[in-house]
Amino acid sequence: DVKVTQSSRYLVKRTGEKVFLECVQDMDHENMFWYRQDPGLGLRLIYFSYDVKMKEKGDIPEGYSVSREKKERFSLILESASTNQTSMYLCASSFIGLQGNDEQFFGPGTRLTVL
Amino acid sequence: DAKTTQPTSMDCAEGRAANLPCNHSTISGNEYVYWYRQIHSQGPQYIIHGLKNNETNEMASLIITEDRKSSTLILPHATLRDTAVYYCIVRGSQGNLIFGKGTKLSVKP
Repeated sequence: DVKVTQSSRYLVKRTGEKVFLECVQDMDHENMFWYRQDPGLGLRLIYFSYDVKMKEKGDIPEGYSVSREKKERFSLILESASTNQTSMYLCASSFIGLQGNDEQFFGPGTRLTVL
Repeated sequence: DAKTTQPTSMDCAEGRAANLPCNHSTISGNEYVYWYRQIHSQGPQYIIHGLKNNETNEMASLIITEDRKSSTLILPHATLRDTAVYYCIVRGSQGNLIFGKGTKLSVKP
């Protein structure tokens, strides 16, 4: 079974702290994604990566950065956490599919609270 | 913005078929229809996808109308564990998934 794991299920940080959210997948997937999910807004794409050291902005990249030094690991970084970044963060991975045949596998999510 | 329209919520009796509709009237010829679901406190889970033919797998069936402007996800024998939010998503082969608000399906005993 494909496994996508995230470093923490719950995290509490203070405003201004630097926060690292880690995601690891074990199926040699090329693509990795970071989303955030908020009530009433659904899932929104923050950043994604198609290969090691490559990154692309999603719909809401402001206030975030990412790092992909190894194929299996994709990190989301909040340089200076703010209260409006309190959210559920979801990581996903997929193969580079042909003809749209690339289902995304999601991790369990990290619920981040910024005080 | 999501390119799909789904009912906000639906109920289904346990053991009966759950039919979840989705409208995607602006779908283009090379875009696929994907379905995911999200059980409370978990990440989304892929269910099925299709282009123009009907599709079936061990979880569900996907019926796409001939004009491709709408589709229906069918869970043939719903169980209590199928209670979740179901997302219908339209995307091309290179595009990203855009999740709308989905349909909250409640399976009742």
